[in-house]
Amino acid sequence: DAKTTQPNSMESNEEEPVHLPCNHSTISGTDYIHWYRQLPSQGPEYVIHGLTSNVNNRMASLAIAEDRKSSTLILHRATLRDAAVYYCIRGTSYGKLTFGQGTILTVHP
Amino acid sequence: ETGVTQTPRHLVMGMTNKKSLKCEQHLGHNAMYWYKQSAKKPLELMFVYNFKEQTENNSVPSRFSPECPNSSHLFLHLHTLQPEDSALYLCASSQGGNGLDTIYFGEGSWLTVV
Repeated sequence: DAKTTQPNSMESNEEEPVHLPCNHSTISGTDYIHWYRQLPSQGPEYVIHGLTSNVNNRMASLAIAEDRKSSTLILHRATLRDAAVYYCIRGTSYGKLTFGQGTILTVHP
Repeated sequence: ETGVTQTPRHLVMGMTNKKSLKCEQHLGHNAMYWYKQSAKKPLELMFVYNFKEQTENNSVPSRFSPECPNSSHLFLHLHTLQPEDSALYLCASSQGGNGLDTIYFGEGSWLTVV
């Protein structure tokens, strides 16, 4: 069971950065960290993933701790459209992506 | 638009009905998935197909019967369902079938069993 631990919920104000934490203390050396988000009434969508180095794309940044036991998804300027459930998932070469409860992000205008 | 299309988007069926959910992906992927999302519960993986072959059945009751005629299409046949089967059913696809591949989800089919 590829477990990660995330806070149940977080809040942010519009236009402010958001840091969503994730603990994965039992991660192995070949496991990737994936982040997905699920907007209301939609299927999950891919956000970003990484292995060891910090990663950036147009949606977000992913900061991975040096020991890889934790990571942080960074939304640089939250918008109302970023309100969603954010899932941090360990991806293994032999298993399937297993979704947990995720973090409910609320963005206030 | 994710490249994964599910129909119907909403379905209401009685417990004695037989219905099917359809999924089509236009991404050239080789793996397709069915997930179930019940209220206030995490997504549950139901079935995985790789190159049309079922590679995972996550202890799903036989009243759910998947069919994968080719790598682009996936069906979920439903018969004699229970009210507790009411949920959002999500289809997804990925290039390969392992946990390193990005998964692309459809918008889901909302199923209500009455």
